[in-house]
Amino acid sequence: KAGVTQTPRYLIKTRGQQVTLSCSPISGHRSVSWYQQTPGQGLQFLFEYFSETQRNKGNFPGRFSGRQFSNSRSEMNVSTLELGDSALYLCASSRDGITDTQYFGPGTRLTVL
Amino acid sequence: DQQVKQNSPSLSVQEGRISILNCDYTNSMFDYFLWYKKYPAEGPTFLISISSIKDKNEDGRFTVFLNKSAKHLSLHIVPSQPGDSAVYFCAASAGGTYKYIFGTGTRLKVLA
Repeated sequence: KAGVTQTPRYLIKTRGQQVTLSCSPISGHRSVSWYQQTPGQGLQFLFEYFSETQRNKGNFPGRFSGRQFSNSRSEMNVSTLELGDSALYLCASSRDGITDTQYFGPGTRLTVL
Repeated sequence: DQQVKQNSPSLSVQEGRISILNCDYTNSMFDYFLWYKKYPAEGPTFLISISSIKDKNEDGRFTVFLNKSAKHLSLHIVPSQPGDSAVYFCAASAGGTYKYIFGTGTRLKVLA
């Protein structure tokens, strides 16, 4: 079974630009979560989607948004990029997101200059 | 408010010995716990999980212990191998929140 895939793997943007990251979950998984990891920090929860609905959201500004498609693929968007948005963005999928194991993709390394 | 804490940022262990990684949590509603291993520039890899109805779960060299009264979780790796050198994260979830809270990680170094 193929794992979670994320594209692109690396991205360099400048301040003020916007970016869209993509995540394809494991086949059969309907829950997709997004996390931000910065140096010295654990994984900070961004949001979770299930059947195209956002069920929970972390404490991030409105510049961070996401969506999920009917095939469970998900995208996250960051608008008006700031230097502090430089991070590893990780996507994880699980069957239903309820007391369930999450499996992570390799992440997208975003650098904002 | 850090609901999941890994108070040891790093740990060094000799090859063949036991590695014990600890995790404390504050939210008594957490009912599912996971451990992940992470190498640089890769996503976390799932290791082992435990639900709150159990106090122990084993998978090969990895055993997770849960002490609900102390709100404490530990991962034992026996015997430790150099390939186990990585950052280990614990995570917790409360049913119905659709959200996993991660600790800040412990860097394990297994010395050959």
